[in-house]
Amino acid sequence: QLQLQESGPGLVKPSETLSLTCTVSGGSISSSSYYWGWIRQPPGKGLEWIGSIYYSGSTYYNPSLKSRVTISVDTSKNQFSLKLSSVTAADTAVYYCARLPIPSLAFDIWGQGTMVTVSS
Amino acid sequence: DIQMTQSPSSLSASVGDRVTITCRASQGISNYLAWYQQKPGKVPKLLIYAASTLQSGVPSRFSGSGSGTDFTLTISSLQPEDVATYYCQKYNSALSITFGQGTRLEIK
Repeated sequence: QLQLQESGPGLVKPSETLSLTCTVSGGSISSSSYYWGWIRQPPGKGLEWIGSIYYSGSTYYNPSLKSRVTISVDTSKNQFSLKLSSVTAADTAVYYCARLPIPSLAFDIWGQGTMVTVSS
Repeated sequence: DIQMTQSPSSLSASVGDRVTITCRASQGISNYLAWYQQKPGKVPKLLIYAASTLQSGVPSRFSGSGSGTDFTLTISSLQPEDVATYYCQKYNSALSITFGQGTRLEIK
């Protein structure tokens, strides 16, 4: 059974870079049938798509975050990663990684989420 | 960019009621729409994709309809375990994804 697990620091200082990794287990990240994505949810607020990646490295970003976001994939480790630069308190959120099947393009399997707080 | 507007933002209904949540796109999106359920403190769960296809394992009281700009999620007979926030999500071939702002559903 496929599982996703986010990992990374729970506290990041303002102006620094938030870095998270999603480890995929029980299946291959190199499958041609899926994209992989990051979604976040500020406390008490709704869901926001951050971006998605294909195993080949093709990336797709939310235009509102594109200037600060980098998503990468490491097929040898079955992982994909998120970097968000120049963070502020507004980036405080639960960050989820999830699988995006082709062609449905709906997130069908999610990680448990990891809370990231931006504070000095 | 295409915006997604859900209505209502919250609603309260009785057990056994038929509940309808609407999602409207600012431009036509064919049937490229999904619905999620997020219970308090939990991870979002996919209910429906391609506007009307029920995800495996989701109870049949959930259904989706619509195409173009107007979409609905219907719960045919509300159950206590359906208390949650529901989100629509649009996508397109360019992998541009947007979520609606959410609809909070409570039991009256």
